[in-house]
Amino acid sequence: NAGVMQNPRHLVRRRGQEARLRCSPMKGHSHVYWYRQLPEEGLKFMVYLQKENIIDESGMPKERFSAEFPKEGPSILRIQQVVRGDSAAYFCASSLSKTLEEKLFFGSGTQLSVL
Amino acid sequence: GNSVTQMEGPVTLSEEAFLTINCTYTATGYPSLFWYVQYPGEGLQLLLKATKADDKGSNKGFEATYRKETTSFHLEKGSVQVSDSAVYFCALKNNDMRFGAGTRLTVKP
Repeated sequence: NAGVMQNPRHLVRRRGQEARLRCSPMKGHSHVYWYRQLPEEGLKFMVYLQKENIIDESGMPKERFSAEFPKEGPSILRIQQVVRGDSAAYFCASSLSKTLEEKLFFGSGTQLSVL
Repeated sequence: GNSVTQMEGPVTLSEEAFLTINCTYTATGYPSLFWYVQYPGEGLQLLLKATKADDKGSNKGFEATYRKETTSFHLEKGSVQVSDSAVYFCALKNNDMRFGAGTRLTVKP
C-alpha cells in the first residue's frame, strides 16, 4: 500500500511560468490537504479538499493559486505566473476522514524553485 | 484563534544529551496536541499525541505531557541519538490542524 505520492520532487520554474504539483493520496483516503513550508518557517495550511470539492481554502492566496481533486486522478495544486516568493516546499497530506485529521499521512513534498 | 508557538532552533546536542523542545499553545476549548517529526527528505510523521489534560504521549523514547494550566506540551527525551536529527513540529487540532514553525534538532556523535 503505497503512501502519499507527490511529484515532481523538485520543480524549477522561471518567473511568470506555471507550476503544477501533483499529489496522489493513500489508497482509500478521500481527504487531501496542501501545506506550504517556507524556509525557516513552519507548515502553513493552504487548502483542504475532499473528492471533487474544496472544503476550506482559507490558507490559499486569492490570486494565482488554485487546487483541485478530481473524481479520478491526483490532486493538483496549480500556481500561475510564479514569482520568486513562491519558492518553497509544498507538502500534501491525506487522511481517511476529517475526524481522523491528525492521522495525516504526508508525502515527501515538492520543492519549487523559481528563478 | 488557535495557534502554536515552539522554541526557535536550531538546537544542537551531543549524543546522549537530554532534549527539551518547548511548545505552548493558544486555543479555545479543549484541543488535541501532537508532535510531528520530519526526517531529511521526507514528509512529516506523527510522533506522539495527547487528547486531554494531563495525558502523556510517548513514542521512541520521546514524551510530552498535556499541561492545561500552563498551556504547554513540551517534548522531552532523556538521551538523544544521532538518528533523532530532524525537524520537530508541535501541532494542535481544534476545528482544524495548526502547526508550529518547527525546531531543527542536530545531534552530533
